[in-house]
This record gives sequence, structure tokens and C-alpha cells, in this order.
Amino acid sequence: DGGITQSPKYLFRKEGQNVTLSCEQNLNHDAMYWYRQDPGQGLRLIYYSQIVNDFQKGDIAEGYSVSREKKESFPLTVTSAQKNPTAFYLCASSIGPDGELFFGEGSRLTVL
Amino acid sequence: GIQVEQSPPDLILQEGANSTLRCNFSDSVNNLQWFHQNPWGQLINLFYIPSGTKQNGRLSATTVATERYSLLYISSSQTTDSGVYFCAATGSARQLTFGSGTQLTVLP
Repeated sequence: DGGITQSPKYLFRKEGQNVTLSCEQNLNHDAMYWYRQDPGQGLRLIYYSQIVNDFQKGDIAEGYSVSREKKESFPLTVTSAQKNPTAFYLCASSIGPDGELFFGEGSRLTVL
Repeated sequence: GIQVEQSPPDLILQEGANSTLRCNFSDSVNNLQWFHQNPWGQLINLFYIPSGTKQNGRLSATTVATERYSLLYISSSQTTDSGVYFCAATGSARQLTFGSGTQLTVLP
């Protein structure tokens, strides 16, 4: 089935450690996105990529990094520089910048 | 960037009641979507509706782009409709911006 797969679903990390969240899509979409959601809040854009080998910062990019080496994959690294990394992270993709967005099931990161 | 405001922030209904959720946006939009977030956090696509009216079963949506608002109608609500409803819009910056959501609780 076509869709977006995020892994892991749950992740625990000690302070000071980097962690990478995986996002893979088989929808043949050009655009991919990472959002962060805090409890009781809406979604905020971290990074997005409209095409392979190119990506742009969103509203809250500090402390995060991404890569887009393949069309299907858009991993997000939460670095030790991110001051409040505990959150729900959602990956999404669309056929283009104004296309309908589809989301993965999310990854819950907890920093101990 | 574009601003997206949703109302009401919270809504409690008895099963079988109808409801209307509103989304206002500050600029012209290229994309307007409605999502339902279930208790497990998954975002379910409801409508892709930058303009016009669409219906899907008990749900329908209308976007009046010239007046910068969209409405989501839920008829004959069921307990499974509970959750958070988000509106999101893309403006000239071509980034999808989310509203803060409407928390809907449907009581049996």
C-alpha cells in the first residue's frame, strides 16, 4: 500500500544525545515536510524539501537538521542543541508545494 | 506568513447533534485542508478545499476564498467524531500553516 512510514513510533533519549527520526514515502511525492506538535498545540513546521538535494528551514528549525538524498526519504535529526526536544514529530508529503498533504503516524520523542 | 485562526477552541456535543467549525485565514490561499487528529495522534485527511464546497458522508466543507474563511460541518455527530479538528492553509510562502485546532467531544 502507498503511504508514509515513520520510525520509530516511540523513542527515549538522554540529554546531550542526537537522535534521527526516519520518514519514508512511496507515493512518488516531490515535497516532504517535518512538523512538531506539543501537547494541546497545533503543528509547527521544522523543515521542508520541495525536491531532492534541496531543503528549507521552517519556523522552528533551530536544533534540527535534515537531508534529502533520495526522493523517498527525508530523515530528521534532533540534535543536542534543541533545548526542548520532547514532542510528537510528524512527517508529511505532497505531490507539490500546493498539493494535498498526507501524514505519517508520527514519532513520539521523550528526553529523559 | 499567513495566519490561520480556528473557532471555537472547544466544543461539546450530544451524540446526534450538528456542528459547524470555522477557519479564518489572513491572506489568499493556494491550499486549504481540514484534518481530524484521532486520540493516537494520527492526522486523517478530511478535505482538500481551497475553494468551493465538498461533501463526504456526514461531513461537508465550504471555503469562501474571497472572504477568507472555511467552514466544516458535521451532521448527526457520533462519539467517534471526537478529537481535534485542524484547518491548515498555504499562502504565498507555500508552507502549510496550521490553526490551533478545535477540540470536539461528542457525548453518548
